[in-house]
Amino acid sequence: GAGVSQTPSNKVTEKGKYVELRCDPISGHTALYWYRQSLGQGPEFLIYFQGTGAADDSGLPNDRFFAVRPEGSVSTLKIQRTERGDSAVYLCASSATGTSGETQYFGPGTRLLVL
Amino acid sequence: GQQLNQSPQSMFIQEGEDVSMNCTSSSIFNTWLWYKQDPGEGPVLLIALYKAGELTSNGRLTAQFGITRKDSFLNISASIPSDVGIYFCAGQTDSGTYKYIFGTGTRLKVLA
Repeated sequence: GAGVSQTPSNKVTEKGKYVELRCDPISGHTALYWYRQSLGQGPEFLIYFQGTGAADDSGLPNDRFFAVRPEGSVSTLKIQRTERGDSAVYLCASSATGTSGETQYFGPGTRLLVL
Repeated sequence: GQQLNQSPQSMFIQEGEDVSMNCTSSSIFNTWLWYKQDPGEGPVLLIALYKAGELTSNGRLTAQFGITRKDSFLNISASIPSDVGIYFCAGQTDSGTYKYIFGTGTRLKVLA
């Protein structure tokens, strides 16, 4: 596909469970970003990958959140011991090289609901 | 997390009217961007601005990068029903990671 894809589109889980959210960036894009969008708010930065490495994880709220990108393409955001406050839309974006001024292309998001 | 101040929060306008919204920050940005988000979708880029004072158009949309580098505005002329949605500004700093800082959004509803 031509754009960023994310799976699942919706995820409902119970408090305390573990979830994984997947992002497939645009082919060839080396930079990948995760954002979280709470209801009625703009997206908030979580983590940035340049290739396989996390270049900036300053937005991760706590150590329950972790993300990987082992082969420099697909990324997985992992949330342990989910809490109701984790409910949000998790957006993934990619850009060609990650340099200043470069357009980030967003996926449709995964809507996570923690009951 | 940090978010930019965006106003108005929401607006109802008649089809054919012009719309103006703005975004302000306490920090300097090197890039300003305007995105539109439809329900159930991710944000889609409308206009990107790279230089202080820059004025850029994309069809009926016009955006400007403020001289102080701490603000930007977006104008939509002759609004149509499909303009409905949430408009976000985003700023990018020269921090080395080039993450976006987003505004809180302006919800636009166009009445036919």
